[in-house]
Amino acid sequence: DADVTQTPRNRITKTGKRIMLECSQTKGHDRMYWYRQDPGLGLQLIYYSFDVKDINKGEISDGYSVSRQAQAKFSLSLESAIPNQTALYFCATSDEGLAGVGEQFFGPGTRLTVL
Amino acid sequence: AQKVTQAQTEISVVEKEDVTLDCVYETRDTTYYLFWYKQPPSGELVFLIRRNSFDEQNEISGRYSWNFQKSTSSFNFTITASQVVDSAVYFCALSGVYDYKLSFGAGTTVTVRA
Repeated sequence: DADVTQTPRNRITKTGKRIMLECSQTKGHDRMYWYRQDPGLGLQLIYYSFDVKDINKGEISDGYSVSRQAQAKFSLSLESAIPNQTALYFCATSDEGLAGVGEQFFGPGTRLTVL
Repeated sequence: AQKVTQAQTEISVVEKEDVTLDCVYETRDTTYYLFWYKQPPSGELVFLIRRNSFDEQNEISGRYSWNFQKSTSSFNFTITASQVVDSAVYFCALSGVYDYKLSFGAGTTVTVRA
C-alpha cells in the first residue's frame, strides 16, 4: 500500500461548490503539506502543518482552508470553488531526517477541475 | 524570500546522450537544502537527491550526478547516458533549515527519444 494516499484522485465540480480533498499517511511523519501544481509554475505551497495543533499558511492560501484531524490525516477544503482553482493538488509529508531537513514524500495527486 | 529558477523549459535528446539541467536559486539563509525531484508522465513526484549548503562536494549516484556551486548559487543536475524512462519533468527545490518548506522551480521537461 502507498505511504501517502489522496482521495479523490480526480474530481470535476462546478463553480461555487464546496470541495474537500483528503490526505492520509502511514509514514508516521509529523509534518504534512498541501501544494498545487499549475503548468509552467512548478508546485506552490498552500498550507502546511508541523503537528496536529500547528497549521500555517503557505504562499497561496486564499480560497483554501485545511484541517489536521490526526497525525495521519490532513484535509484541504475549497469553500467555494472557482475555475482558476483547477489544478493538480499534491499532499506531502516529511520528518526531520537524519541530517536536518528530510525529503518530502508526495501522494499521487488529485486532479481537480472546476467548471 | 526564496526563489528557484530553472531557465530551461524543455530539453529533447536522443537516447544515450547526457542531459544537464540548470538550477539557480536565491535565499537569504546561510544554511539551506537543495533537492531534485522527478515527475514522470504518470504524475507522481519522486525524490532524487538532497544536498545541504555546507557541503559542496559533488557526487555521482548511478547515472545521476550534481554540481553544487555556492559561489554562483547553482545546483545543476546531470543524467548520463539518458534512457527513454528518464523522460519526465524535473524540479529543483530549495528549503530553509528551520521552516522545512520547499520552494520549487517551474520544472524542466526532458524528452528522451529512442
